[in-house]
Amino acid sequence: GENVGLHLPTLSVQEGDNSIINCAYSNSASDYFIWYKQESGKGPQFIIDIRSNMDKRQGQRVTVLLNKTVKHLSLQIAATQPGDSAVYFCAETRYSGGYQKVTFGTGTKLQVIP
Amino acid sequence: NAGVMQNPRHLVRRRGQEARLRCSPMKGHSHVYWYRQLPEEGLKFMVYLQKENIIDESGMPKERFSAEFPKEGPSILRIQQVVRGDSAAYFCASSNPYRGNTEAFFGQGTRLTVV
Repeated sequence: GENVGLHLPTLSVQEGDNSIINCAYSNSASDYFIWYKQESGKGPQFIIDIRSNMDKRQGQRVTVLLNKTVKHLSLQIAATQPGDSAVYFCAETRYSGGYQKVTFGTGTKLQVIP
Repeated sequence: NAGVMQNPRHLVRRRGQEARLRCSPMKGHSHVYWYRQLPEEGLKFMVYLQKENIIDESGMPKERFSAEFPKEGPSILRIQQVVRGDSAAYFCASSNPYRGNTEAFFGQGTRLTVV
């Protein structure tokens, strides 16, 4: 759901390890789920999306898993690098009434320890 | 994404002044979102606009804030009589939902400081 003024949880990971960032959603009618990365001082950037009828999608070093039974989404980053340090937001989209609205989750701050 | 242009990047206003934030969406995009972000916090939805139409303004404060997306020109987020609590980063994103493309492209944001 939408973040309303909550401070970001932080995940600290050693460089080279795999990172798993989790997100819970509430809307069963969502069409797509998306992960965004926001580096300090910049706007969010699209990483990867997954259609609601899929349960896994892989990109370059990233994998998104969708568990509709428990309404859970995760982003896995393989071999985490210092450049992966950022805030990661999950988002859901739903096409309704002629519009597709994107709703963001709370966000997780990923800190990579060199 | 460099395609969505927001200006200014930084804006300083005194309490009581007006702030105007501009967002030019990516070419071909007909929908614009505005979000507000405080330091170390997430993105708070404010308003969702189509050209000449406000689709969802459920996140907009009832007073002092307004948004528009005219047929020609950028989308404008307007904050009247700014207060210190309005200091934040304001992000705009654009999309073209009619193509079934889910991706919303973000601008670099406008950082508003009220002194």
